[in-house]
Amino acid sequence: DAGVIQSPRHEVTEMGQEVTLRCKPISGHNSLFWYRQTMMRGLELLIYFNNNVPIDDSGMPEDRFSAKMPNASFSTLKIQPSEPRDSAVYFCASSPPTRTDTQYFGPGTRLTVL
Amino acid sequence: GQQVMQIPQYQHVQEGEDFTTYCNSSTTLSNIQWYKQRPGGHPVFLIQLVKSGEVKKQKRLTFQFGEAKKNSSLHITATQTTDVGTYFCAGLLSNDYKLSFGAGTTVTVRA
Repeated sequence: DAGVIQSPRHEVTEMGQEVTLRCKPISGHNSLFWYRQTMMRGLELLIYFNNNVPIDDSGMPEDRFSAKMPNASFSTLKIQPSEPRDSAVYFCASSPPTRTDTQYFGPGTRLTVL
Repeated sequence: GQQVMQIPQYQHVQEGEDFTTYCNSSTTLSNIQWYKQRPGGHPVFLIQLVKSGEVKKQKRLTFQFGEAKKNSSLHITATQTTDVGTYFCAGLLSNDYKLSFGAGTTVTVRA
């Protein structure tokens, strides 16, 4: 079975540019999480979707960040405009309906903003 | 800030030796989970502990959940080079989805 799929795996962009990260959760999973990982702050939950609906976006750093989940098999995390401090690894994770607390992580997108 | 504290931050181990990493929460947890992240990889779920005082084993790994459900430990015996990586504990707090991750223990192994 395919795991969580994320694209791109690596993204290098210049400050001020728009960045879009993509995630395809595991089929049948109805919970989706976006995390950011940095050395300084560790793993931070940015936003949580359940059945395509954003439930908790309290971790989204600021208005430059937005996330959507138009259907059960696709989600995006957008940063506009990007800043150097946004450089991090962004993980998407999904959970099945019966085990919401067990999360399956994707390979991550390593974002570098110059 | 983080509600789940994990120590030590780094662990340098001689191959064949044992080590333990500890996780402490300021509040009672519904359950605690452990994840492993290899260098350059992503967190991979290892195990979940739910019951007070629960102990689970996976080959050379022993996981414990404290009686008060506020602390947990991971003990690895006879460390191998394949054990290299960062081990995260993640506590489930009052709700049913928001995991609070510890900062992780990064393990390196000397052959």
